[in-house]
Amino acid sequence: GQQVMQIPQYQHVQEGEDFTTYCNSSTTLSNIQWYKQRPGGHPVFLIQLVKSGEVKKQKRLTFQFGEAKKNSSLHITATQTTDVGTYFCAISFGNEKLTFGTGTRLTIIP
Amino acid sequence: DAGITQSPRHKVTETGTPVTLRCHQTENHRYMYWYRQDPGHGLRLIHYSYGVKDTDKGEVSDGYSVSRSKTEDFLLTLESATSSQTSVYFCAIRVTGTETQYFGPGTRLLVL
Repeated sequence: GQQVMQIPQYQHVQEGEDFTTYCNSSTTLSNIQWYKQRPGGHPVFLIQLVKSGEVKKQKRLTFQFGEAKKNSSLHITATQTTDVGTYFCAISFGNEKLTFGTGTRLTIIP
Repeated sequence: DAGITQSPRHKVTETGTPVTLRCHQTENHRYMYWYRQDPGHGLRLIHYSYGVKDTDKGEVSDGYSVSRSKTEDFLLTLESATSSQTSVYFCAIRVTGTETQYFGPGTRLLVL
């Protein structure tokens, strides 16, 4: 089936440091989505990337879609305690379903 | 959050008992999904629905059945619960015309 590898599984950073999570697919993707799940909460949609090489920003969050549309990254600049949670990428191939990565759990050391 | 509610929010049950989880949406979205979330596995699709009485299996459908008799309600049933079905269950809807999904608050199920 369609799979996406997400790394790292865990990331512990000092508050103020940067954070990056990566998603990689062996096949070309039509698009990729990113979700955030706070501890004890539910996944919340952040963004969708569609175009090759696309870069989108949301305040301190930068999302990139690779030129070959096989990988994507989420980078957080100067992490804050509110960034704590698990970040998931999700892929689809134009059908009704999403396949989620296993997520990267971000913890912040104050 | 797209008007999605799940009930119950927490449930403890015993092995072998039937369990039904309910997902309710208020915005008339066509597509609805049931996922389970377990440590190290992320979100895995159990079943989904693309309309009233139209459902299909996901990657981990064994031991689960679903029903959708009304647009707003999508039920997930564990016919005979097992300890391996202890998990957090999330319902989601797909926003019409997009591939974006919005999730309900989740149901924590413990099967003893």
